[in-house]
Amino acid sequence: ETGVTQTPRHLVMGMTNKKSLKCEQHLGHNAMYWYKQSAKKPLELMFVYNFKEQTENNSVPSRFSPECPNSSHLFLHLHTLQPEDSALYLCASSQETGVRNQPQHFGDGTRLSIL
Amino acid sequence: KNQVEQSPQSLIILEGKNCTLQCNYTVSPFSNLRWYKQDTGRGPVSLTIMTFSENTKSNGRYTATLDADTKQSSLHITASQLSDSASYICVVSTNNAGNMLTFGGGTRLMVKP
Repeated sequence: ETGVTQTPRHLVMGMTNKKSLKCEQHLGHNAMYWYKQSAKKPLELMFVYNFKEQTENNSVPSRFSPECPNSSHLFLHLHTLQPEDSALYLCASSQETGVRNQPQHFGDGTRLSIL
Repeated sequence: KNQVEQSPQSLIILEGKNCTLQCNYTVSPFSNLRWYKQDTGRGPVSLTIMTFSENTKSNGRYTATLDADTKQSSLHITASQLSDSASYICVVSTNNAGNMLTFGGGTRLMVKP
């Protein structure tokens, strides 16, 4: 039973559409993360938020726009995506980024397909 | 460049058998090493976290080892069950501020009856 909930679980969209992915954590954590998981590739960190402030943008294209209104919610706004953006997008949370040796708790992801 | 290499890429074993998955890393500075299990269609779930001073840690039938000198880790699964079929991901954290993780490509394990 995960304490991190992602919606929707599946999303199919055209390249000109605008959609948003949502992540909510019920663990009382202060750090939240977006990852991209493509087939046969390691997880790629996209964004990190700590206490609602973005602390890491891993050279992500501007067609991905994150939003963190509070420590429990994280969004990923999508617009004008490319076929190579099709992947599993995972959200994770942890106590806070400055505390070491703590696990990150992952949601079950949104499977995104770009037509 | 920080890298985490896992082997084998995939593995098929019979139910009840043991297996060992390998992880080599070149991450520096080192903070901790984690093993995650990812079932198909689910997010990764933490199995173990080991710091520099720990060389073994168990979680039920899962036992992870760490050799910080050779920068190698292994995950041993004892008496495998069908539910162990999953991808196992090795993740290394650097000692820099920010809890930055370097992920391996994973080993896909299939346990057959």
